[in-house]
Amino acid sequence: DAGITQSPRHKVTETGTPVTLRCHQTENHRYMYWYRQDPGHGLRLIHYSYGVKDTDKGEVSDGYSVSRSKTEDFLLTLESATSSQTSVYFCAISEPITQGNTEAFFGQGTRLTVV
Amino acid sequence: AQSVTQPDIHITVSEGASLELRCNYSYGATPYLFWYVQSPGQGLQLLLKYFSGDTLVQGIKGFEAEFKRSQSSFNLRKPSVHWSDAAEYFCAVGALQTGANNLFFGTGTRLTVIP
Repeated sequence: DAGITQSPRHKVTETGTPVTLRCHQTENHRYMYWYRQDPGHGLRLIHYSYGVKDTDKGEVSDGYSVSRSKTEDFLLTLESATSSQTSVYFCAISEPITQGNTEAFFGQGTRLTVV
Repeated sequence: AQSVTQPDIHITVSEGASLELRCNYSYGATPYLFWYVQSPGQGLQLLLKYFSGDTLVQGIKGFEAEFKRSQSSFNLRKPSVHWSDAAEYFCAVGALQTGANNLFFGTGTRLTVIP
């Protein structure tokens, strides 16, 4: 996998607790993304980043925040976890489409269970 | 708004038989189209992509897909399925936003291969 490490790979947490998932890349790609995968929904974009400290919302951003203080790291935070946030979370990276690069590379995923 | 429809939730084929997975998209501009494959517990791997040019695109593992603008379709095909092709397949359309490769996924088609 294209130099993407997600941590932790599995986590169980209690409702109402904060949770942070980390995505680390070694490819120096400009764009980073967080998706969640749920049965019957495929993958849906939560947030993405187009540079250090530059982030924007995706289609399912409510209840999530992100931060990118370094090119290689993109953090996803659930401020107060709810059972509806039980999901598998995927990080992805890509270069700008305008440079003719159209492929996004995905990490192995983090399985989060909120009890 | 962009969206992707994969009408087949689950398909079962015999090993050696041909395969076609359907994908229809909705997008207001020229789409970037992708097929990804996901094995159980794994991340997503790109099979092929359509960016521009030839509407029949070849991918890895013997897969191909044809972009038909008039039908808003991007169906995935393989002439002879192998047992190792059993996996979940996702079609996605890319929405260009500031160069980001934000992807909208279909809900996926699970492929079972029987001997």
